[in-house]
Amino acid sequence: NAGVTQTPKFQVLKTGQSMTLQCAQDMNHNSMYWYRQDPGMGLRLIYYSASEGTTDKGEVPNGYNVSRLNKREFSLRLESAAPSQTSVYFCASMIPDTNTLQETQYFGPGTRLLVL
Amino acid sequence: AQTVTQSQPEMSVQEAETVTLSCTYDTSESDYYLFWYKQPPSRQMILVIRQEAYKQQNATENRFSVNFQKAAKSFSLKISDSQLGDAAMYFCDRETSGSRLTFGEGTQLTVNP
Repeated sequence: NAGVTQTPKFQVLKTGQSMTLQCAQDMNHNSMYWYRQDPGMGLRLIYYSASEGTTDKGEVPNGYNVSRLNKREFSLRLESAAPSQTSVYFCASMIPDTNTLQETQYFGPGTRLLVL
Repeated sequence: AQTVTQSQPEMSVQEAETVTLSCTYDTSESDYYLFWYKQPPSRQMILVIRQEAYKQQNATENRFSVNFQKAAKSFSLKISDSQLGDAAMYFCDRETSGSRLTFGEGTQLTVNP
């Protein structure tokens, strides 16, 4: 059980280049999320997927697209990277505890992206 | 806008002493969850403690406890007997209906030996 995994761990892009950040979870969770973390801004939601086949915009979706390929995988794509997208990106998944109805989020290790 | 605010960008504490990190939030919902997360230098997010808004009793996890004041929309984290390993960035998080998560700006905690 690897939890939430993200690839790559670090990436440098030039302005205008495209790339896809991969996220996968092996916990059979329904909900998955993409966040970016910037100093002083906390974690800001980019997109989320409440279940397989559905995606919704979060707080800062501009410049990003997502794909919920299946229940395990949720990818984030930058079509034309900009320096303002330099950040650390976190993927997370969540499932409610059916006994207590509490919900726990599990985060991946993060991807550091530098756009020059 | 429904926000989460951590007014202390940085805090420090002596090893073995107690520190309290503050968090206030805004929501129009009556039922929601609150969380504190720890982010060490490895950048992994680690769940520290959770609180359901409908529960009046403050959550406790070993050396970590919260002071939840629902009317004041306040959710502070108390760390007792601070250890060097507690040094990290701490994020307050509010979850509302539809599994929408909103995080605060973070508080960087330094533990001095």
